[in-house]
Amino acid sequence: EDQVTQSPEALRLQEGESSSLNCSYTVSGLRGLFWYRQDPGKGPEFLFTLYSAGEEKEKERLKATLTKKESFLHITAPKPEDSATYLCAVQSYTGRRALTFGSGTRLQVQP
Amino acid sequence: EAQVTQNPRYLITVTGKKLTVTCSQNMNHEYMSWYRQDPGLGLRQIYYSMNVEVTDKGDVPEGYKVSRKEKRNFPLILESPSPNQTSLYFCASSLMGTDSYGYTFGSGTRLTVV
Repeated sequence: EDQVTQSPEALRLQEGESSSLNCSYTVSGLRGLFWYRQDPGKGPEFLFTLYSAGEEKEKERLKATLTKKESFLHITAPKPEDSATYLCAVQSYTGRRALTFGSGTRLQVQP
Repeated sequence: EAQVTQNPRYLITVTGKKLTVTCSQNMNHEYMSWYRQDPGLGLRQIYYSMNVEVTDKGDVPEGYKVSRKEKRNFPLILESPSPNQTSLYFCASSLMGTDSYGYTFGSGTRLTVV
């Protein structure tokens, strides 16, 4: 059974204070690891997909990395508009093609 | 605009009163799925559909039904809702279910069963 654990549950940063969110996973065979951003009252919004250990993706102040057991979402010099819940999900090579999600990290960036 | 549309956004109902949450996508996607989101439990898959007339159970299917008569629509049916089905529901779609972006999600339906 695929499992995803995210930490911390909540994180409060000052504007400009860089940090990292963690996503630990176990999966029978990794098809892909996904990062989403979710704002209150909205559906998850796609950020990145990572496929193999050592891969990195960047978008503005966000950088996602992947190892065989974990993924990190690094946030460099965050701004208040980066405040959201960040979700990690894995997809394995099963017929169901389901995404298995972690519980998310609630990020608050204070000005 | 490419999107997944769910209705209603908010719904309060009483135990046992049948209800349907609609979902429609305009991207000609073959794969559609329903998830529920609960605090501390994350998003969990209820049902999914690979194509028209092809549906199957996800992780938490009890108390739910779905149908896929048309490619664009994938309604979620609660025949006899109970309070433990109070949750935030998301419909999602994907071209084949294995796309590089994962899924496109709707805006959600917040359901309260009293």
